[in-house]
Amino acid sequence: DAGVIQSPRHEVTEMGQEVTLRCKPISGHDYLFWYRQTMMRGLELLIYFNNNVPIDDSGMPEDRFSAKMPNASFSTLKIQPSEPRDSAVYFCASSLTRSTATYGYTFGSGTRLTVV
Amino acid sequence: SQQGEEDPQALSIQEGENATMNCSYKTSINNLQWYRQNSGRGLVHLILIRSNEREKHSGRLRVTLDTSKKSSSLLITASRAADTASYFCATASRDSKTSYDKVIFGPGTSLSVIP
Repeated sequence: DAGVIQSPRHEVTEMGQEVTLRCKPISGHDYLFWYRQTMMRGLELLIYFNNNVPIDDSGMPEDRFSAKMPNASFSTLKIQPSEPRDSAVYFCASSLTRSTATYGYTFGSGTRLTVV
Repeated sequence: SQQGEEDPQALSIQEGENATMNCSYKTSINNLQWYRQNSGRGLVHLILIRSNEREKHSGRLRVTLDTSKKSSSLLITASRAADTASYFCATASRDSKTSYDKVIFGPGTSLSVIP
C-alpha cells in the first residue's frame, strides 16, 4: 500500500485566496483525520470522519475552514479565504478501527501551507 | 487542547546512550501511543500501550504506563544517529459526545543523537 497520500506537498498562496488540500487514505481504513501542526500550538485535531461522515468538527478554527469526504478514498480540506495565520503543516491520517486500542494512526507526509 | 505533555522538550545524547522521554496527561485514557516525526515528514506510529498494560517492548523501544500517576515513559536503548527526530505521545480517550476515541498529541520531545 502506498500509505496516506496528500497533495500538494507545498502550497504558497496569497492572502484571500482559496486553498484546497487533498488526502487519499489507506484503502480499507474507515477513519480519516485532519490535523494542523504549528510551532506555537503543536498538533491540533481539526476534524475526523467515519465512513465518510464527519463525526467531530469542533477543532475547525473558523467558518473559513471546511472539510469533505465525498467517498472512501478522498477527502479535502478547504480554506476560503486564507489568512497568513493559517500557515502551518496540515496532516491527514487514517485508521482502521473505531477504537484506537489496536492500531495507531497512519499519517501522510503533510502539506506545508504558506499564506503571504 | 493538549492533554499529553512531554518532558524534556529537547534532549541531546551521544550515540549508544539510552534516551528517556516522559509524558504526563490529565484525564483517563483508553490507550497511549508514541509517534516519531523526522524533520519535514509525517508522524510514524511507534508503539501503543493500553490502559491495562504497564510495560511494552518493541525492538529497542520500551514504554511504561503508570495510570495512577497519569504518566508514561519511552526509553530508546542504544540510540543511533538515525533516531534523531521529534517524539510525540498521544492519548486516546473516549469522547462521550461521539462515543469515538479522540487522540490528542502532546507538544513533543526533540531528540538529537550525536554520532
